[in-house]
Amino acid sequence: SQTIHQWPATLVQPVGSPLSLECTVEGTSNPNLYWYRQAAGRGLQLLFYSVGIGQISSEVPQNLSASRPQDRQFILSSKKLLLSDSGFYLCAWKGNSYEQYFGPGTRLTVT
Amino acid sequence: LAKTTQPISMDSYEGQEVNITCSHNNIATNDYITWYQQFPSQGPRFIIQGYKTKVTNEVASLFIPADRKSSTLSLPRVSLSDTAVYYCLVGDAGTGGFKTIFGAGTRLFVKA
Repeated sequence: SQTIHQWPATLVQPVGSPLSLECTVEGTSNPNLYWYRQAAGRGLQLLFYSVGIGQISSEVPQNLSASRPQDRQFILSSKKLLLSDSGFYLCAWKGNSYEQYFGPGTRLTVT
Repeated sequence: LAKTTQPISMDSYEGQEVNITCSHNNIATNDYITWYQQFPSQGPRFIIQGYKTKVTNEVASLFIPADRKSSTLSLPRVSLSDTAVYYCLVGDAGTGGFKTIFGAGTRLFVKA
């Protein structure tokens, strides 16, 4: 069966520090991969999606970037965090169906 | 992508049937309608998906009228554990990948 992992589960970082969040998927190949962010009490904001290795589509211009170095690995990065980057970050994958499967999420607090 | 509009919140009592309606006036021919459920501090979970008419699974039913400009998620006999946010999505899983836009969702509160 397919499994999606995200780490870390929680993270507290000072403003201006770098960020690296990792997402890996097991049990499937060539998935579509997604990064979302959810502010407290709000809906999900699509940040990036990828249909293959090295193929990244950015939805929101900001200080975040994403990379897909391997088929089942998706990384979200930032060189300098802003206070507004705080939120709940979710990685998701989609196979051949329309259904998306979400990871457990990373709670990021920028102080 | 078609924009969706849902009520911000709804209240219900245990044992009642809950119907949440989503408007998507600009739905395209290739678009499917998908509903997700999200509990606090968790990622959304797929509930049901449909294209037209009625779809039913062990969790919910989805009603889609002929013009497909709206859809209704029906939850039979809700319990306290159904308290969550419910999202309606409209999108096309084309060759360019499935770009998804989640709206604000509907916060359902189930009371004892």
